[in-house]
Amino acid sequence: KQEVTQIPAALSVPEGENLVLNCSFTDSAIYNLQWFRQDPGKGLTSLLLIQSSQREQTSGRLNASLDKSSGRSTLYIAASQPGDSATYLCALMLGGGADGLTFGKGTHLIIQP
Amino acid sequence: DAGITQSPRHKVTETGTPVTLRCHQTENHRYMYWYRQDPGHGLRLIHYSYGVKDTDKGEVSDGYSVSRSKTEDFLLTLESATSSQTSVYFCAIRVTSGGMGQYFGPGTRLTVL
Repeated sequence: KQEVTQIPAALSVPEGENLVLNCSFTDSAIYNLQWFRQDPGKGLTSLLLIQSSQREQTSGRLNASLDKSSGRSTLYIAASQPGDSATYLCALMLGGGADGLTFGKGTHLIIQP
Repeated sequence: DAGITQSPRHKVTETGTPVTLRCHQTENHRYMYWYRQDPGHGLRLIHYSYGVKDTDKGEVSDGYSVSRSKTEDFLLTLESATSSQTSVYFCAIRVTSGGMGQYFGPGTRLTVL
């Protein structure tokens, strides 16, 4: 069974720092990997999606990488801002059919002004 | 915004009563999903659908049933609600292009007393 682990579970950093969130998974046979953001009491917002054939994706200050062979993905946030405070979730889709996503438990990020 | 709405957004009910949650989408997506989110467990797949009248079980399907009689609506039913089904329920759709990412509705907070 695929297991997804996110480290750290919580992180608090001063505004302006660059930071890295980690996601590891046990089965490298994935179809894609998606990073989401969730604000308290809200739904999930998709940030970046990396297909299994890709190594990274970028959107603004966010960069996500994927290394299937080592079972790892990272989400890099540049020049962090207080508005980046949220929980960040990593999720994998295993097959290309109707499969649902397997989620990590998230990293709760606080950016201190 | 993937054009997904969920209703109701909040519901309080009593143990043993039936409850139906509705997910509605406006963009004619074939694949639809129901997840629940609980502290300590993260998001877990309940049921999914790959077309009208085509559904299958996910990781935590016991006590739940689903129906999809129209492309745009995916219903989740708790036949006899229990306190362990107190949770936040999210519906998602999956697009069939650009890496097949999933996009989530705003969620329904269900409390079973």
